[in-house]
Amino acid sequence: NAGVTQTPKFQVLKTGQSMTLQCAQDMNHEYMSWYRQDPGMGLRLIHYSVGAGITDQGEVPNGYNVSRSTTEDFPLRLLSAAPSQTSVYFCASSYWGSGSGHSYEQYFGPGTRLTVT
Amino acid sequence: KNQVEQSPQSLIILEGKNCTLQCNYTVSPFSNLRWYKQDTGRGPVSLTIMTFSENTKSNGRYTATLDADTKQSSLHITASQLSDSASYICVVSEFYSGAGSYQLTFGKGTKLSVIP
Repeated sequence: NAGVTQTPKFQVLKTGQSMTLQCAQDMNHEYMSWYRQDPGMGLRLIHYSVGAGITDQGEVPNGYNVSRSTTEDFPLRLLSAAPSQTSVYFCASSYWGSGSGHSYEQYFGPGTRLTVT
Repeated sequence: KNQVEQSPQSLIILEGKNCTLQCNYTVSPFSNLRWYKQDTGRGPVSLTIMTFSENTKSNGRYTATLDADTKQSSLHITASQLSDSASYICVVSEFYSGAGSYQLTFGKGTKLSVIP
């Protein structure tokens, strides 16, 4: 298994440009999520999905869109990049279910380092 | 507001020595507590997950403890190795009510440097 893969590894954008960060997992996980990690702060949830066709907002969703058309893929779209979106972005996945489903281990991708100038 | 505080912010130890990292949280209602290791330039990797009823959990040279009454956890690393140099992140999960996503609160991490 490749686990959770993310592309690209690095990206530089100009203010106002748009782009899509790709995330894929091959573990048949229902739950997928996007986080951003900024210096001096803990990871913060951007958007998440509990299955194909189901997405919802996390703590810091503004400026980002997601969709989940398949179990495997969960792309993150930056609509109009701003310098405040300079960050490292992590995609994560896990099994999902009621009851103790939220105790499942989360697997993180290697991250995408994004710089917006 | 749910918070997870980790201490120290950074730590330098000699190879072969033991160390203990601390995590205090205010998340309520509590569901589980996780410790992750994050190497520089990589994604976090899970070390342990402990639920309310678990006091201790080990993963090789890593041993996590949980005191749900005082809302404290520690991660003890035995006989440190150079490869233990990383950030260690404490994450606390709020009890899942069945709606939306389970709420994970991330600490800012402790940066551990193991030197020869």
